[in-house]
Amino acid sequence: GAVVSQHPSRVICKSGTSVKIECRSLDFQATTMFWYRQFPKKSLMLMATSNEGSKATYEQGVEKDKFLINHASLTLSTLTVTSAHPEDSSFYICSAQTGVGQPQHFGDGTRLSIL
Amino acid sequence: SQKIEQNSEALNIQEGKTATLTCNYTNYSPAYLQWYRQDPGRGPVFLLLIRENEKEKRKERLKVTFDTTLKQSLFHITASQPADSATYLCALAGSSASKIIFGSGTRLSIRP
Repeated sequence: GAVVSQHPSRVICKSGTSVKIECRSLDFQATTMFWYRQFPKKSLMLMATSNEGSKATYEQGVEKDKFLINHASLTLSTLTVTSAHPEDSSFYICSAQTGVGQPQHFGDGTRLSIL
Repeated sequence: SQKIEQNSEALNIQEGKTATLTCNYTNYSPAYLQWYRQDPGRGPVFLLLIRENEKEKRKERLKVTFDTTLKQSLFHITASQPADSATYLCALAGSSASKIIFGSGTRLSIRP
């Protein structure tokens, strides 16, 4: 149980392209979903927290107009990297949580490479 | 500022031995602490959660301790196997918020 599917697993695209990443909880309803960014051999850095039906809460230093988050249902959240540039290249991971104090269940990440 | 330190960036041990990983934190009063396993190119997988009022938790070959006085958690894998080789992350969360803060991880290698 507690499976989170993240798609696509890898994206390679040209600078200036917008990229959408989907995160789905397959067998449970997620009240809260999180989006992280991870650099090689570094920890996960929280980008934003999203609750179904409300606006995402972004961490300090994360541009909300750059990283658009939509959490339209209890099983789906999307992250759109708008007008991506090479410095946006990274490993993006989503997670879903059923409630406060519960473990987070992670997707397998999306490797984004901007040329 | 809040800080989480996983003391060893890498740990190499012989198969069959007990692996012990350390997680220390400062300027934080977590309500609970979690341990995750992450394999290369994959998302973290939840292993264990321990709350502030719990001293120890076990799951099969895994054991976690939580000392709020020392501000430290220890993560043990007994009878370690090469398949246990991975990066292990500790994460803390406060009771007033659902977001958690991750340590940088310890890369564990179990040699046959």
